[in-house]
Amino acid sequence: DSGVTQTPKHLITATGQRVTLRCSPRSGDLSVYWYQQSLDQGLQFLIQYYNGEERAKGNILERFSAQQFPDLHSELNLSSLELGDSALYFCASSTPLADTNTGELFFGEGSRLTVL
Amino acid sequence: AQTVTQSQPEMSVQEAETVTLSCTYDTSESDYYLFWYKQPPSRQMILVIRQEAYKQQNATENRFSVNFQKAAKSFSLKISDSQLGDAAMYFCAYKGGKLIFGQGTELSVKP
Repeated sequence: DSGVTQTPKHLITATGQRVTLRCSPRSGDLSVYWYQQSLDQGLQFLIQYYNGEERAKGNILERFSAQQFPDLHSELNLSSLELGDSALYFCASSTPLADTNTGELFFGEGSRLTVL
Repeated sequence: AQTVTQSQPEMSVQEAETVTLSCTYDTSESDYYLFWYKQPPSRQMILVIRQEAYKQQNATENRFSVNFQKAAKSFSLKISDSQLGDAAMYFCAYKGGKLIFGQGTELSVKP
């Protein structure tokens, strides 16, 4: 158990809909990262938050947005869903000391999104 | 931009044998970290080993070791005495400002 909690674990929805994925980082971790893993693909970095503020942005679509709340949990909002958005979405967190150029990320178990 | 390349989509090893997974990366940064993550069928991402770029000594963790060649920007993973439980997807990752993954190598272990 990494200590990172993601909900829901599985989600099935229809094209055009909107969903929200939630992540609670490990206790004490200030950074939250979101990754997308499509079928048979590597992990694509979407976005990073540090203590409530956006820190780095990757290949995140305009239809997607995220935020980190004062209690440090984060939400990833996916709207106008398309079939190609079906993927495993990972959240990861890291310790404050690891938020420069150091340190590992601790991953949640992922939220599997299926868009029909 | 930084990139990570794993040129072996699939690898196979006999139980108890040794296998090496390859990884190359491209960066202009001098200070960074490299990682190997394992993703078993459960899809959980598990850290296998990490290497600080400023350290010349190759990292080792039990049966796992790396061959870090900074000038060549190469970071291979060696698994010794392979076990059935080692079967998984292995991702090489680079961390400068953000963590970037390679495309992965699917490792199968034959009994």
